[in-house]
Amino acid sequence: LAKTTQPISMDSYEGQEVNITCSHNNIATNDYITWYQQFPSQGPRFIIQGYKTKVTNEVASLFIPADRKSSTLSLPRVSLSDTAVYYCLVGPPSGGSYIPTFGRGTSLIVHP
Amino acid sequence: IAGITQAPTSQILAAGRRMTLRCTQDMRHNAMYWYRQDLGLGLRLIHYSNTAGTTGKGEVPDGYSVSRANTDDFPLTLASAVPSQTSVYFCASSEGGLSPLHFGNGTRLTVT
Repeated sequence: LAKTTQPISMDSYEGQEVNITCSHNNIATNDYITWYQQFPSQGPRFIIQGYKTKVTNEVASLFIPADRKSSTLSLPRVSLSDTAVYYCLVGPPSGGSYIPTFGRGTSLIVHP
Repeated sequence: IAGITQAPTSQILAAGRRMTLRCTQDMRHNAMYWYRQDLGLGLRLIHYSNTAGTTGKGEVPDGYSVSRANTDDFPLTLASAVPSQTSVYFCASSEGGLSPLHFGNGTRLTVT
């Protein structure tokens, strides 16, 4: 089971780009990387998933280097509403005995 | 709207009482999960079920039990509540593996 490590907290200001890096040194060949976002008083919600190189959607971009031992979630031009906890998970895309483990995540605070 | 329904939204419970937290999904997902979230500790997995009729223990299963009689329902029971079980409880479902998890809105439980 791939273990992930991410910063406990980050601070940013409105309009800045925020990059949150997750380390997963023992990622398996068939593992994907998934990020979730959790606002206060709500359950986490899926934001992006990738296997290699770069994935982009309307919320964020996910950068994965060739060795796949880390990944970076990039939030362009953050606003106050991006204040949330961000979780990085690594595991097989479907089936098997994988059990999603969230940990403490990265608490992002966006300041005016 | 398809999704996860949790009930109750919140509850104050006397120590020693029995309580069942309800979770129902209408997405026909095979896998379901119960997490608890405490300040500074992130999301911790209590129990999970990969398919109807099977359950498994997560990181913090003591004091909790679950059943999975059918695909849609995954109740979590506290047989004799204790104050350390005061927490926010989230139920989630997915197609399994690292397929995106769908979370309910949570149950805020206070054990006095």
